[in-house]
Amino acid sequence: EAGVVQSPRYKIIEKKQPVAFWCNPISGHNTLYWYRQNLGQGPELLIRYENEEAVDDSQLPKDRFSAERLKGVDSTLKIQPAELGDSAVYLCASSTRTIPPDTQYFGPGTRLTVL
Amino acid sequence: AQSVTQLDSHVSVSEGTPVLLRCNYSSSYSPSLFWYVQHPNKGLQLLLKYTSAATLVKGINGFEAEFKKSETSFHLTKPSAHMSDAAEYFCVVSEPNAGKSTFGDGTTLTVKP
Repeated sequence: EAGVVQSPRYKIIEKKQPVAFWCNPISGHNTLYWYRQNLGQGPELLIRYENEEAVDDSQLPKDRFSAERLKGVDSTLKIQPAELGDSAVYLCASSTRTIPPDTQYFGPGTRLTVL
Repeated sequence: AQSVTQLDSHVSVSEGTPVLLRCNYSSSYSPSLFWYVQHPNKGLQLLLKYTSAATLVKGINGFEAEFKKSETSFHLTKPSAHMSDAAEYFCVVSEPNAGKSTFGDGTTLTVKP
């Protein structure tokens, strides 16, 4: 079984530039998560999808961040424009369900560096 | 509201000695609790989970954790550390009916030869 795929693995951009991250979850997983992990901290949820619907985006900075999950499969997270404080690892995860809570399967992450 | 506190940011043990990684949680509900491990340049991987069944949970690679409601703790243990256990460990609390998970800040485990 293929795991969660993310690309790119690394990205270096200058501030004010746009950037996009892509995630393909495990086949059949209805729930998809985007997390941000700052150095020395645990992952923090940015947005959670149930199929195509964003059911929790309360922590997504909507002035600069956007996400989509067309057709309820793969997903894209975008930042425009990027700021220095956006440097972090962006993790994608998927699961079969969230209620009751179940195992989340994580991708390797995208390490973003904003200069 | 829920929160999780990992009491040690770094733990160092010698190979072959026991491992104890401590986690306390706060939740308004009967939570589900998870431990994940993150090896360098790898994705987070589930070690074990507690979902209101047996309070002593066994996971992969010889790890286990005990849910203690009275102490609001979910400490991770292993009888004998191996060099390959060196990694970052995260404790996670999840509300049962809201689908929201909260991660601790992690504990870095170092295993000395």
